[in-house]
Amino acid sequence: GAVVSQHPSRVICKSGTSVKIECRSLDFQATTMFWYRQFPKQSLMLMATSNEGSKATYEQGVEKDKFLINHASLTLSTLTVTSAHPEDSSFYICSARDPTRSSYEQYFGPGTRLTVT
Amino acid sequence: AQTVTQSQPEMSVQEAETVTLSCTYDTSESDYYLFWYKQPPSRQMILVIRQEAYKQQNATENRFSVNFQKAAKSFSLKISDSQLGDAAMYFCAYNNAGNNRKLIWGLGTSLAVNP
Repeated sequence: GAVVSQHPSRVICKSGTSVKIECRSLDFQATTMFWYRQFPKQSLMLMATSNEGSKATYEQGVEKDKFLINHASLTLSTLTVTSAHPEDSSFYICSARDPTRSSYEQYFGPGTRLTVT
Repeated sequence: AQTVTQSQPEMSVQEAETVTLSCTYDTSESDYYLFWYKQPPSRQMILVIRQEAYKQQNATENRFSVNFQKAAKSFSLKISDSQLGDAAMYFCAYNNAGNNRKLIWGLGTSLAVNP
């Protein structure tokens, strides 16, 4: 149980275009999902917290107009990187929390490697 | 603010031996959760073990166990009978009871397992 999928696993886009990453909880309903960015050999950096049916809460320093997050259903959250630049190239990971579990652990998707050329 | 510290950037262990990864944290809360996550080369984050702060008994999951010292704010992970597949980055994380219950992450420990 507690499986999270993420699509696509890899994406290459041209500078100035937008790219959407999907995160789905497959066997549970996730009222809260999280989006992280991870640089090589570093820890996870939380970008935003996504709550179903409401606006995402962005961490300090994360541009909300650049990284658009939509949590339209209990099983799907999307991250859209708008007007992508080469410095946006990174590994993006989503996670979801199962509200039926009291321990608040997060279950992670396999990640998306974004390369902006 | 809560912080999580992993003081060992890299560690190595011989196959079949035991290794302990350190983690300390700082918080003023009394009720919280602690986790160890594993990130192998595939980069898929995997939950290894969880510990509820209100439980005195140390959590155990097969070859993985923790030494939870609440007063000392220490949460170390012991891996017994190390296997080649245990080679990965290991992250210690603290669950923040407020602020949407975010996870506060340590910087990670890279574990190498030598055959």
